[in-house]
Amino acid sequence: GDSVTQTEGLVTLTEGLPVMLNCTYQSTYSPFLFWYVQHLNEAPKLLLKSFTDNKRPEHQGFHATLHKSSSSFHLQKSSAQLSDSALYYCALSDPGSFNKLTFGAGTRLAVCP
Amino acid sequence: NAGVIQTPRHKVTGKGQEATLWCEPISGHSAVFWYRQTIVQGLEFLTYFRNQAPIDDSGMPKERFSAQMPNQSHSTLKIQSTQPQDSAVYLCASSLDTGPSQNTLYFGAGTRLSVL
Repeated sequence: GDSVTQTEGLVTLTEGLPVMLNCTYQSTYSPFLFWYVQHLNEAPKLLLKSFTDNKRPEHQGFHATLHKSSSSFHLQKSSAQLSDSALYYCALSDPGSFNKLTFGAGTRLAVCP
Repeated sequence: NAGVIQTPRHKVTGKGQEATLWCEPISGHSAVFWYRQTIVQGLEFLTYFRNQAPIDDSGMPKERFSAQMPNQSHSTLKIQSTQPQDSAVYLCASSLDTGPSQNTLYFGAGTRLSVL
């Protein structure tokens, strides 16, 4: 079955340093990949999703590149901000399963001054 | 647009009692999803409906959990004989069928269930 692996449970870094959150996946098909972000006491919301034409999605300074050869969709940002502190989930959706998402365990990002 | 509305926000039940959670999807959205969120497991898929029809309930614990969608404007998740391990945040999400946002799930704020 489908699965998503996020290896880091907690990432702590200083404001201004680059961010990289890892995401790898397993799927029988060619899935869509997503990053959702959940700030404290808020609902998860979409941050990024992969494109079918290999464009690199970007939003709020975050970007991610889908590498099918390594089954990865790592999230990156050049300079972390305090407001980036949140829980980040990587997820996949198979084309044949409508919009059902399989999520990773999540990575909590804590940005310190 | 009020977004996905979930009620109650918090529910406390005693072990063995029943809990019913409510979800009102975004108007015009054709699909409704239920997820369970815990610190250990993250976001676990439970079940989803499309155009009110149940499509996939593969994540539902079979014996005590049930979900319904009697009309376009609401869905319920019922847990019978609640157990302490059912304590979690239950999230509802909805999505469109078509258009540029068709792959996006819009989540509600969740219902935090505490079973004592």
